[in-house]
This record gives sequence, structure tokens and C-alpha cells, in this order.
Amino acid sequence: ELKVEQNPLFLSMQEGKNYTIYCNYSTTSDRLYWYRQDPGKSLESLFVLLSNGAVKQEGRLMASLDTKARLSTLHITAAVHDLSATYFCAVGNNDMRFGAGTRLTVKP
Amino acid sequence: EAGVAQSPRYKIIEKRQSVAFWCNPISGHATLYWYQQILGQGPKLLIQFQNNGVVDDSQLPKDRFSAERLKGVDSTLKIQPAKLEDSAVYLCASSLSPGHTYGYTFGSGTRLTVV
Repeated sequence: ELKVEQNPLFLSMQEGKNYTIYCNYSTTSDRLYWYRQDPGKSLESLFVLLSNGAVKQEGRLMASLDTKARLSTLHITAAVHDLSATYFCAVGNNDMRFGAGTRLTVKP
Repeated sequence: EAGVAQSPRYKIIEKRQSVAFWCNPISGHATLYWYQQILGQGPKLLIQFQNNGVVDDSQLPKDRFSAERLKGVDSTLKIQPAKLEDSAVYLCASSLSPGHTYGYTFGSGTRLTVV
């Protein structure tokens, strides 16, 4: 059964700092998704990574995928308060299995 | 384009009662998913439909949960009878096809509280 692990589960960072969220998964997949969820809201798609070595960037967020290591990273550059949310990775070729999420708080 | 529509937004029921949720996916999306998200956890896949057929329902508690997608468009998810541990947000998502490169679009969810 596909297992998806994220770390850290909780992350508190200062504005302006950089940090990386990690997503490991247990079985082969060439589809990886990153979602953002604000409290009480639904999931917003951030990135869809489709192949080994894929890198996508949007604003202060950059996601990458290493299918051989079964690892994806979500890098945050110069964090701002508006990035405070829970970030989920999800893996699967025909469906999506989610990690537990990383609850990010960006403090002034 | 219109998003994934879900109703109701909120529902409070007593344990052992029944409840139903409705989902209308994005037009043309053949694949539909129901997820259960318990507070503080990631969404858990309950069932996946391709058109009106079930692709994966391995994590659906079939003794109390049922789902259908008649005519391959709208879908309903039912719980009967509900238990306290069913309190969660039920999310519906759709995509053009399984694992589509554009990903999945989620609805706003139905927040169920069982008391």
C-alpha cells in the first residue's frame, strides 16, 4: 500500500527566512501533487509534477520531484505571512494518496 | 468554468442517523473522487469513479457508507448509520481522467458533525 510521509508536520518560521518541506513516498509513482489548504477551506492546487527531475516555481514556492529517491521537496523562499497554511503532498498515478500535511506558520 | 459543487456545506446529525452528501463535478470530468478529511489529518480516499463505474472503493467502510454516480455526472455519498468517528469534512474532487496532468479540482466540502 502506498504510504506518503511529510516532514515536518509543524513549521514555524520567521518572515524572510527560507525552508524546505519534504515528502517521501513508498512505491513507484510519476505523479506528485502539492496542495495548499487554509483553515476551514478546501484544497487549492499548487503544483503537479509529472516526471523525474521536474521543477516548478510559483512566486516564493518551488517544488521538485526525484522519482528515484521517491522524494519531493517544497522550498519556501523569503517567507511572508500570507504563506501561512497547511501544505499537503499527494502521490498516485491513477488516484491521490495524501500525506498528513505540514502546518506552516510565518511570523513577523 | 464552474468548479466542483457540493452540498450541503454543513450538517449536524445524531449518531445512528443517516446523512447524504451531493457532488456535481466540473462538466466533462470523467473521474470523481470522495475523500474524508478528519480534523488535523490529510484527506483519505473513500471511493473513485470513472464515469459511472467504481474504480477503487477499497477504503470505503461498506457496512455503513455507500456511494453512487448515476449517469456518470452527479454523485451522492451516504452514511447509514452514522457514528461519532464519522465527524469530518467530506471532499469531492474531479479530474478529466485518472492522474490527469492538470490534476484534480476539489469542492468546498461538507462538514459533518455527529453528536
